Amino acid sequence: DTGVSQNPRHKITKRGQNVTFRCDPISEHNRLYWYRQTLGQGPEFLTYFQNEAQLEKSRLLSDRFSAERPKGSFSTLEIQRTEQGDSAMYLCASSLGRGETDTQYFGPGTRLTVL
Amino acid sequence: GQNIDQPTEMTATEGAIVQINCTYQTSGFNGLFWYQQHAGEAPTFLSYNVLDGLEEKGRFSSFLSRSKGYSYLLLKELQMKDSASYLCAVLDSNYQLIWGAGTKLIIKP
Repeated sequence: DTGVSQNPRHKITKRGQNVTFRCDPISEHNRLYWYRQTLGQGPEFLTYFQNEAQLEKSRLLSDRFSAERPKGSFSTLEIQRTEQGDSAMYLCASSLGRGETDTQYFGPGTRLTVL
Repeated sequence: GQNIDQPTEMTATEGAIVQINCTYQTSGFNGLFWYQQHAGEAPTFLSYNVLDGLEEKGRFSSFLSRSKGYSYLLLKELQMKDSASYLCAVLDSNYQLIWGAGTKLIIKP
């Protein structure tokens, strides 16, 4: 079963370091989403791609965060100059992209701990 | 502002039935999703409602009333593996998913 995969699963870093996460969506899915989730909360939308185009970015996303999906397949999320408040689970989801209400399927997430 | 409310935690007994409610106030409505999330894992899709009424899928059913801004997820014949958080999410007028904080369901033997 080739679901959504994310790497690494866990990342521990020191404050001020840069980190990069990777997401591989389900192969035929055109849309890819990034979310952040903290304990006891629902996922918080960060950004979304339709193929290689980044169509929307949350106003909450600071300029330290950047995401790319260069060939419309896998995506990377980079956080520069990490802060302790960036500690969270980073979730990637993908969907077919045929219609506005298509279902999003999630990867296992990358848990980031900033010391 | 946009708001989705669901109870923080519920407890039920194995074999019983439990109903998890969700109320929402969003800028537009293009459907409501329920996801299940086990601790430390990613959310998994359970159901989608866009029209009023009940959608049944095995032991799980989901109900929607758009006029009341209300949905519930009904779980029957509860099993220990149903212990998880259940997340309600609404697709708003911009087709963006707005998420509730989730309801942690504890199943006791």
